[in-house]
Order: sequence, then structure tokens, then C-alpha cells
Amino acid sequence: DSGVTQTPKHLITATGQRVTLRCSPRSGDLSVYWYQQSLDQGLQFLIQYYNGEERAKGNILERFSAQQFPDLHSELNLSSLELGDSALYFCASSVRDGGLAGANEQFFGPGTRLTVL
Amino acid sequence: LAKTTQPISMDSYEGQEVNITCSHNNIATNDYITWYQQFPSQGPRFIIQGYKTKVTNEVASLFIPADRKSSTLSLPRVSLSDTAVYYCLVGGTLFSGGYNKLIFGAGTRLAVHP
Repeated sequence: DSGVTQTPKHLITATGQRVTLRCSPRSGDLSVYWYQQSLDQGLQFLIQYYNGEERAKGNILERFSAQQFPDLHSELNLSSLELGDSALYFCASSVRDGGLAGANEQFFGPGTRLTVL
Repeated sequence: LAKTTQPISMDSYEGQEVNITCSHNNIATNDYITWYQQFPSQGPRFIIQGYKTKVTNEVASLFIPADRKSSTLSLPRVSLSDTAVYYCLVGGTLFSGGYNKLIFGAGTRLAVHP
């Protein structure tokens, strides 16, 4: 158990819909990261927040957005869903934001499996 | 970010030592090398991280030559439960603009047989 929690575990929805995935980081971790893993794309970094502020953006679609709240939990919002958005979505957390010397270990949650029908 | 190249798959047997080599020819001076392990339908798990020479922890060793253009993850006496995908990543440094996003390649699928 990494200490990172994600809800829901599974989500089935239809094309065109909007869903929200939730992540609670490990106690004390200030950074939250979102990743998407699909069979044909592998593990893709989407976005990072540090203490409520966006720090880095990866291959995140404009239909997707995220935020980190004052209590440090984060939500990933996916809208106008398409079949290709079906994937495992992972949240990870770390203590620092990576701005200090050396990478720091990221702890991954169990993921949310999204199925778009 | 430095691109990494590692074997797509490897096979081993229980009790053997497994060495997975990763090439990262354009690694930057301040880049660290990190390895993650991922089981099916689970999030990746940090294994080990290093900058140069050798790093050892309770589960693995990481060997990094002086030119740092490659690294080798060594798993001693593997068991069936070590069957997983292993990712090599470089980056996450002081001069990375304050970000620590991880760029995962395809990874190496390790299959451990009885």
C-alpha cells in the first residue's frame, strides 16, 4: 500500500459524458501527478500540481483539467469523453516538486480504470 | 529529457540474478537515473535511484558507469513474484524547471519461470 488513494476504482460511462477522478496523496506529500496508461500508449504523464499550483504539464488534452485543493487532494476532470479515453488513470504523490537536486520518489495509487462505451 | 532504450522483454528462472541494462546516451549532467517496477493493473513502484557508480538497497542494485550513458539494474535471486515490467527513467533535476514529471518508455517485461 503506497498510501495514495484513488476513487473510484472503476468507472464506466458513455461517450460525450464528463467524469471526475479523485486522488488523495500520502500524508505530508505536497506534489500530485496524474498519469494515463492505455494499451497502445503506455504510461503518459498528464499534469503535476505542487501545493495547489500547477507545476508541469505533459500530454494532457484540452478536454481534461485538474486541480489540487487546499487539503492537497486532487481531482482530474475528463469531459466530452471519447472511446480512446478508456484507460487506467494513476495518481502519484511525492514530498517535493522535483525542483530540488535529484529526482524524488513518486508513490503511485492503485489507479482508476475508466471505460468509455 | 533523455531518451532511454531497454530490452523489450527478458526471461529468467527462479533463483537467478537478472541484469537489465538501459541506454541513455544523451543523459544530462544533472539527471538522476531511476527504476520503477509495475505489476499488471497496479501503479508503478519505485525500486532504486542513483547518479553515479553503484547504489544498493534491500531489493536491487544499480550500476552506473563513469560516462553515465547506460545503467544496469540488478535483481539478485529473482522469484516468480518479480515477474513485472521494469522502467528506466532519467531526469528530475535541479535545473529541470521545477518539475519532476516522469517519462516512461516501453519498459522491459521480465518473466521469471519456475
